[in-house]
Amino acid sequence: GDSVTQMEGPVTLSEEAFLTINCTYTATGYPSLFWYVQYPGEGLQLLLKATKADDKGSNKGFEATYRKETTSFHLEKGSVQVSDSAVYFCALDSGTYKYIFGTGTRLKVLA
Amino acid sequence: GAVVSQHPSRVICKSGTSVKIECRSLDFQATTMFWYRQFPKQSLMLMATSNEGSKATYEQGVEKDKFLINHASLTLSTLTVTSAHPEDSSFYICSASTPLAGDTDTQYFGPGTRLTVL
Repeated sequence: GDSVTQMEGPVTLSEEAFLTINCTYTATGYPSLFWYVQYPGEGLQLLLKATKADDKGSNKGFEATYRKETTSFHLEKGSVQVSDSAVYFCALDSGTYKYIFGTGTRLKVLA
Repeated sequence: GAVVSQHPSRVICKSGTSVKIECRSLDFQATTMFWYRQFPKQSLMLMATSNEGSKATYEQGVEKDKFLINHASLTLSTLTVTSAHPEDSSFYICSASTPLAGDTDTQYFGPGTRLTVL
């Protein structure tokens, strides 16, 4: 079945450091891929998405490129801030409108 | 746009009572709504998918008689936890999508409801 694998956290970085959170997937067909962010005690907010190979999603300085050849959708940000501290979820939709989520990666940014 | 609200944000109830959680799409019509459950420091587990005007589709292992879902209108879905027990304590999150629009596969999430059963 379809699945999403995220790197285990927590990830702890200093402010202005470069961030990469790895996400790989297995799916039949051509899924849409998403990154969501969850701040403490809140629901999930869509961060970015990509719907086909080589698409790059971007938002608030975060980027992720849909790599079909490596079945990956790694999240990157050039310079993190304390306010980026949250849990990040990678997810896919194989066209069934049901999401498969990764386990989430907790990011902690220190001032 | 694409705002989803949930009410209440927190609820504490006694064991054996029932609790209703509302999920509303505020600025769009949601043909499909999803209910998730999230345990502490874990990912989201899809409980059920509901389409307006039809019965919800439950995921394997989710008791449909315990978690009653109603999607009576294009902007409102409710989850009722019946005869709640302490093991039902969790963070419940709903999401909504509207395949009728151009953004066919994006789900918009509510802020979640923290349920504590004493």
